Amino acid sequence: NAGVMQNPRHLVRRRGQEARLRCSPMKGHSHVYWYRQLPEEGLKFMVYLQKENIIDESGMPKERFSAEFPKEGPSILRIQQVVRGDSAAYFCASSPGTSGRSGEQYFGPGTRLTVT
Amino acid sequence: DAKTTQPPSMDCAEGRAANLPCNHSTISGNEYVYWYRQIHSQGPQYIIHGLKNNETNEMASLIITEDRKSSTLILPHATLRDTAVYYCIAFGSSNTGKLIFGQGTTLQVKP
Repeated sequence: NAGVMQNPRHLVRRRGQEARLRCSPMKGHSHVYWYRQLPEEGLKFMVYLQKENIIDESGMPKERFSAEFPKEGPSILRIQQVVRGDSAAYFCASSPGTSGRSGEQYFGPGTRLTVT
Repeated sequence: DAKTTQPPSMDCAEGRAANLPCNHSTISGNEYVYWYRQIHSQGPQYIIHGLKNNETNEMASLIITEDRKSSTLILPHATLRDTAVYYCIAFGSSNTGKLIFGQGTTLQVKP
């Protein structure tokens, strides 16, 4: 039973380019979450999605960042016109979302984004 | 802001039980206590959760005080691979799915 998959594992982008991070949730999970961990800092929630819906994007920066979880395919976190401050580890998590277990989230290995 | 407080660091001898405390004096009645850990720079790993009863699984035990103001995560026989940052998180329906990670406790298991 495959866990949460993220790709790429490492991504290098120059300032001004776009970064696309992909996340495939665990089989049977329809809830996806994205978190960011800046160097030497804690994990911060970014966005919570269900299939074709954004449930909570309160942690997303107002500009340049977007996320989607289409009916088919992986969830995508897109960062446009990247800046050096976007360099971080981006983690995706999924959950079954059932009552009493929505806090039980299973994390992928992360994507390390480096902006040069 | 995190609703829990944990000691920043702890040491434990390999093979001994590791007892990690967490204070959550403002936890709401419908909020669960969740524990996660992050080994080095890997993705966080779910460990266990509970509401008011003690819980046990293959990884750990969770002891929640009767007044629910604090809890203890117990790793019964710590190994070097248990060295990680451990996070205690209060989570309920008002969280709308977001886990709020505090600073956690860095557990160092020593040989």
